[in-house]
Formats: sequence, C-alpha cells, structure tokens
Amino acid sequence: SQKIEQNSEALNIQEGKTATLTCNYTNYSPAYLQWYRQDPGRGPVFLLLIRENEKEKRKERLKVTFDTTLKQSLFHITASQPADSATYLCAPNNAGNMLTFGGGTRLMVKP
Amino acid sequence: SQTIHQWPATLVQPVGSPLSLECTVEGTSNPNLYWYRQAAGRGLQLLFYSVGIGQISSEVPQNLSASRPQDRQFILSSKKLLLSDSGFYLCAWSRAQIAANEKLFFGSGTQLSVL
Repeated sequence: SQKIEQNSEALNIQEGKTATLTCNYTNYSPAYLQWYRQDPGRGPVFLLLIRENEKEKRKERLKVTFDTTLKQSLFHITASQPADSATYLCAPNNAGNMLTFGGGTRLMVKP
Repeated sequence: SQTIHQWPATLVQPVGSPLSLECTVEGTSNPNLYWYRQAAGRGLQLLFYSVGIGQISSEVPQNLSASRPQDRQFILSSKKLLLSDSGFYLCAWSRAQIAANEKLFFGSGTQLSVL
C-alpha cells in the first residue's frame, strides 16, 4: 500500500541554522508533491509545490527537492527563525490525483 | 479574495448524539470541496470530496456522511457519534478540476471530542 513517512520526532534547531525535513514515500510514483505548514489548532497552509520533472524549487528562505529515484523530498528552511516553529506536512498526490498527507514533522527553532 | 468558513471551532458531544459541521466558501464558484480528519499527532485523512452540488465521493467507510446542498456549502454529518469519531476536522477547497498545480485552502478546523 502507499505510504508516506515523515520523521515523527520533533526537530530542534538553533535560530539562524538551516532546518531540513524529510518526506519519504513508497509504493507509488506521485506526479507532484506539496508542502504545507500547520500551526497548533489551525488548518494547514500551502507553502510550495514541486513536480516530478523538477529537481528543486525555491521560495524566499524555503527550498524543496524531489528525488523520484530515492522516492524522497527534502524541505529546507535557511536562516531559520523562531517564527518558523510549526509542523510541516508533505503531500504527494495519489493515483486518484488526491493529496495524501504525511504525519508531519514538528520543527522547533530556539532563539 | 476567497475565504473559507468552518464552524464551530470546538465541539464536545456525547456518544450516540448526532453531528453537523458546516463549511462555506466565499469568493469563488464551483470549487472542489473536501473534508479531512486529523487524529492527534497523525496526518490528515481524506474523508469526502465533492466536485459539484450533490456529488459526494467517500474515501473511507465510516460512521460519517457528507452533503453539498449548495455550490459553496459542504456539510459533514453523523446520526450517532462514536468515540472513534473524535478528532480535528478540516474543510478545504481547491479550484475546480484536480490538477497538478492545484493547492488546497483549509478552514480553521473543528476540534471534536466525543465523550
């Protein structure tokens, strides 16, 4: 069955460092993958989309990579700030072209 | 601009009671509408989606049902709640026609506790 794995353990980093979050998927080949940010008690907010034919996508301090051979996407936040603390969800599309979400990784940026 | 409204924000219901959660979208027409559930510390599970009035697709068998009586209104219901129905319910919309570049816009969610 299709599976999406994100590190369930919280990632703690120091302000100013680069945060790297991992999303691995198995048993299918998504045509695209999206990343969302979710704050406690709120709905997720879209951040970036990357297609299977794109290796990398950038938006301000955010960078996403998509390796279809490794079946993995990496999400980077450079020069991280305490305001970046949140849970980040990856969402590849499935065979029905619906988004399927990983469990998310909680990022804590300490000042 | 488009906005999505979801209510109530929190709800505590006894086991066996009915449920009705409502979601409305403003500023767009013919959106695709979705209901997701998020268990504590878990990912989002797609429950229902709708591509038009009266058109509902269910992703998982469950104790819940959905209806779309108007273009921009999506309702999640249950006749008798179970303990396992507890969770964070999120309504979302996307532009019509699922496509590779369509993102989801989520509501603020309803935290449902069934006791």
